[in-house]
Amino acid sequence: GENVEQHPSTLSVQEGDSAVIKCTYSDSASNYFPWYKQELGKGPQLIIDIRSNVGEKKDQRIAVTLNKTAKHFSLHITETQPEDSAVYFCAARVQTGANNLFFGTGTRLTVIP
Amino acid sequence: GAVVSQHPSWVICKSGTSVKIECRSLDFQATTMFWYRQFPKQSLMLMATSNEGSKATYEQGVEKDKFLINHASLTLSTLTVTSAHPEDSSFYICSAPTGFKIDEQFFGPGTRLTVL
Repeated sequence: GENVEQHPSTLSVQEGDSAVIKCTYSDSASNYFPWYKQELGKGPQLIIDIRSNVGEKKDQRIAVTLNKTAKHFSLHITETQPEDSAVYFCAARVQTGANNLFFGTGTRLTVIP
Repeated sequence: GAVVSQHPSWVICKSGTSVKIECRSLDFQATTMFWYRQFPKQSLMLMATSNEGSKATYEQGVEKDKFLINHASLTLSTLTVTSAHPEDSSFYICSAPTGFKIDEQFFGPGTRLTVL
């Protein structure tokens, strides 16, 4: 099955700086890669996603890049704000499988005011 | 985005009792819903796929008789933890694909179960 690895597990940045979280996946059949933000005691919230036919996608301060050859994708948050502090999960979905997602282990991002 | 609700948001029960958790899609119909379990500071683990009108599909290692899933309508799936024990204490989260964009899934707010 698919195996998704995520790094780093924790990340602290100063407010205004950029944050980068990286994920790798094992199954070349994966074709959909969402990123979720989870605040304490809440369910994950979809913040951005990318499909395998695209190399980069941007939404305001958030961007995701995908390298299919290397089987890795990254989340980039620019001009970080304290409210960006949360746990971020990457995920991958295998094209030929059911619509279930395989999650990374999560990154706890802390933005220091 | 689409809205998925869960009820209750938290529950405390005694060991040996059963607890039912509801997952509802509020503004769309979901023929499929997913149930996840999350331990503190860990990732989401898929437990089962709930299918409207048919049996749920359970992931390897998840006890079917322990975690009963019913998907009786296009907007409601329920997870019943039977004969709960302290080790069943966890954060249970459901999700549903909207169908508009085939890949997108929206998650409920989760249910914190504590078994005493």
